[in-house]
Amino acid sequence: SYVLTQPPSVSVAPGETANITCGGDSIGGKSVHWYLQKPGQAPVLVIYVDRDRPSGIPERFSGSNFGNTATLTISKVEAGDEADYYCQVWDTSSDVQVFGGGTKLTVL
Amino acid sequence: QVHLQESGPGLVKPSETLSLICSVSSGSLSDYFWSWIRQTPGKGLEWIGYVYSTGSTKYNPSLEGRLTLSVDTSKNQVSLRLRSVTTADTATYFCARHAYNTVYWFDPWGLGTLVTVSS
Repeated sequence: SYVLTQPPSVSVAPGETANITCGGDSIGGKSVHWYLQKPGQAPVLVIYVDRDRPSGIPERFSGSNFGNTATLTISKVEAGDEADYYCQVWDTSSDVQVFGGGTKLTVL
Repeated sequence: QVHLQESGPGLVKPSETLSLICSVSSGSLSDYFWSWIRQTPGKGLEWIGYVYSTGSTKYNPSLEGRLTLSVDTSKNQVSLRLRSVTTADTATYFCARHAYNTVYWFDPWGLGTLVTVSS
């Protein structure tokens, strides 16, 4: 089965840039989607199809996907960005949705 | 804007059947895939399966054999039945809509409902 690997945690100071990675075998050939989840809340889509932002998501959120790594980039990080972030792909070979293990973003 | 609300019993006994409903408001079930996803306490997200508005389904192989997903278009509801539950099925269960007529990303999600399996 397809596996997505995320770092358990990322820490960044306010105003800096956070890069959250999602590793997978040839993930560059798949469409990657990203969600943030704050405690006690449902996940919210922040990036779809590698780099597109849903309406209402700030331009500070961007994505890229190449080779074996997809990256969610949050620029000018704010305290309110503290959350767990999950990547997700649809593994077409098995028709199974796969999530990464999640990354806890801490704003110092 | 479409809104999803999960409902069901918060407590289920081991070996019994877990039944949940996802009520969809301000939107139609038609032409969409609807998934269930669960999250164990302090852990990550696990996709359970999806059902299309016509009733066709795809299940996570890890749960196939115990799982039934269905839609009721007259009530605008999506249902989950998970048989022979164990304590490992204790989790928050979310329903979520996929993008229009595809199985790619999930948007939006319901708030989720916590289910505890315990005697």
